[in-house]
Amino acid sequence: GDSVTQMEGPVTLSEEAFLTINCTYTATGYPSLFWYVQYPGEGLQLLLKATKADDKGSNKGFEATYRKETTSFHLEKGSVQVSDSAVYFCALSLRQAGGTSYGKLTFGQGTILTVHP
Amino acid sequence: DADVTQTPRNRITKTGKRIMLECSQTKGHDRMYWYRQDPGLGLQLIYYSFDVKDINKGEISDGYSVSRQAQAKFSLSLESAIPNQTALYFCATSAGAGVEQFFGPGTRLTVL
Repeated sequence: GDSVTQMEGPVTLSEEAFLTINCTYTATGYPSLFWYVQYPGEGLQLLLKATKADDKGSNKGFEATYRKETTSFHLEKGSVQVSDSAVYFCALSLRQAGGTSYGKLTFGQGTILTVHP
Repeated sequence: DADVTQTPRNRITKTGKRIMLECSQTKGHDRMYWYRQDPGLGLQLIYYSFDVKDINKGEISDGYSVSRQAQAKFSLSLESAIPNQTALYFCATSAGAGVEQFFGPGTRLTVL
């Protein structure tokens, strides 16, 4: 079945450090890939997305490139801020309507990021 | 106003009680979902609905039921709550397959 694997956390960084959160996936069809962010006490918000191979999603200084050859969608940011402290989820959704996916999101387990001043 | 709303935001109940969590959306989406979040496990799909007449079980539907009262409303019920149903519950909507989902703020449920 479809699955998403994220690097285990938690991740603790100093402000202005470089961030990478690894994400790999397995999928039976043609997935769209997403990164969601959950700030403390809040629901999930879409951070960025990519719908086909080699697409790069970007938002708020975060980037991720859809790599079909390595089935990966790693999240990166060049200089993190304290306000980036949150839980980050990688997820996929199959774009085909057939099969059992029905467009549902399959999530990784989440990575807790803490950024210190 | 928020596009996806959930009520209540917090609920404490006792084992054996019936609980209903409600979700409403103003995005005009046909697809609605209920997820459960446990620490370290990400989100797991409980039920999903593609329209008022199309409701499907997700990965962890045992102990839960749903009702799609209208395009904009999707309710989740716990017929007889048990402590291991203590979790964060999220409702989400989407316009189709393979596109982003929009999440509500969540309901924190505690079953004593």
